[in-house]
Amino acid sequence: ETGVTQTPRHLVMGMTNKKSLKCEQHLGHNAMYWYKQSAKKPLELMFVYNFKEQTENNSVPSRFSPECPNSSHLFLHLHTLQPEDSALYLCASSQDRGGILNYGYTFGSGTRLTVV
Amino acid sequence: AQKITQTQPGMFVQEKEAVTLDCTYDTSDQSYGLFWYKQPSSGEMIFLIYQGSYDEQNATEGRYSLNFQKARKSANLVISASQLGDSAMYFCAMRDVEEDSSYKLIFGSGTRLLVRP
Repeated sequence: ETGVTQTPRHLVMGMTNKKSLKCEQHLGHNAMYWYKQSAKKPLELMFVYNFKEQTENNSVPSRFSPECPNSSHLFLHLHTLQPEDSALYLCASSQDRGGILNYGYTFGSGTRLTVV
Repeated sequence: AQKITQTQPGMFVQEKEAVTLDCTYDTSDQSYGLFWYKQPSSGEMIFLIYQGSYDEQNATEGRYSLNFQKARKSANLVISASQLGDSAMYFCAMRDVEEDSSYKLIFGSGTRLLVRP
């Protein structure tokens, strides 16, 4: 496989459930990201990992817990979510080389999450 | 403060015609990168084109071109010879140096393009 793969593609969960979203990249990139895309809102950056270290947490509620065990895998653990957390969650990766700005992100197809 | 502005929530274009999607940005940095992504209904964000702030020529990639006007801080996407498969959401994005020295990619709110047969 190549590119960025996200699983599952669709997820429906109750507010008391615990689930995890998975992201895997086979591009040799050193940075990975979680974005949230809600209806009629710009993409919101949630978490940034560089070389497996979390470098960004954009005031995300603790019911979202990221994990990056290695530079190829990124997880988003979910627990006690609210209905307003229903959204498309996109994973992305990039090859960051300190200050070079022409590296865009490669995105996965996203996980469409519905909280009931 | 919003750094990327896309003022067109939705656009229509006739098949085979050209269309321009607007994007303005705000940054105090001299060095930055501008990107356009396409998001079909499947959800995946597909990279289309990149323009660097120091690039003297407007970027082109096949039917996509970027009309870069640095003084006006605009980076409009031009799609020539529209095809039905071009119907999608289009996002303008910028990468510059943040206050914390990170290099995040920040997106605009997007424009939904519908190509009419």
